Amino acid sequence: ETGVTQSPTHLIKTRGQQVTLRCSSQSGHNTVSWYQQALGQGPQFIFQYYREEENGRGNFPPRFSGLQFPNYSSELNVNALELDDSALYLCASSWGVGAKNSPLHFGNGTRLTVT
Amino acid sequence: GESVGLHLPTLSVQEGDNSIINCAYSNSASDYFIWYKQESGKGPQFIIDIRSNMDKRQGQRVTVLLNKTVKHLSLQIAATQPGDSAVYFCAENIESAGNRLAFGKGNQVVVIP
Repeated sequence: ETGVTQSPTHLIKTRGQQVTLRCSSQSGHNTVSWYQQALGQGPQFIFQYYREEENGRGNFPPRFSGLQFPNYSSELNVNALELDDSALYLCASSWGVGAKNSPLHFGNGTRLTVT
Repeated sequence: GESVGLHLPTLSVQEGDNSIINCAYSNSASDYFIWYKQESGKGPQFIIDIRSNMDKRQGQRVTVLLNKTVKHLSLQIAATQPGDSAVYFCAENIESAGNRLAFGKGNQVVVIP
């Protein structure tokens, strides 16, 4: 069984730039959720993708967007980067949209630093 | 509102002793709770979950207790080992909000050999 994999592991960008983060879901999973984890904080829900459509969104501005592909992999795009976007971005996969049906399995994240 | 918090920022425990990590939640509509363990440089790892129709659930060396009356969740780790050193998060699932998980800030557990 292949776990959730994310790329890249680390990334440094300049304020105002755009970034794309990638995630491959665990085999057998069809739902992908993205979380932002600031240093010393718990993960914060960004959005979830199911059947290639956004299925729920947290309190994040529209410059945070995503995609899900037919193979269930996903991308997180962030435009017009701000310093406060510096964080660990976590991808989690599951089967179906309900956490009770299938607990989220997280990748090791992408550490984004915005300077 | 929806919030999950932990009482103690850091817990130091002697190897072999039992650990107890506490968590308070505020949304009485939450119906599913999960404990995650996060080691340095890694993503959160699922430990154990519990549904709101239960008050106790046991796993291997771990037990989760849920007290819905006072909106309190705890994780007990038996015979704590050095590999248990990590940050522990409780998270709640609010189905009405789209099945997202709401995490608390985390509780650092340090195991002293």
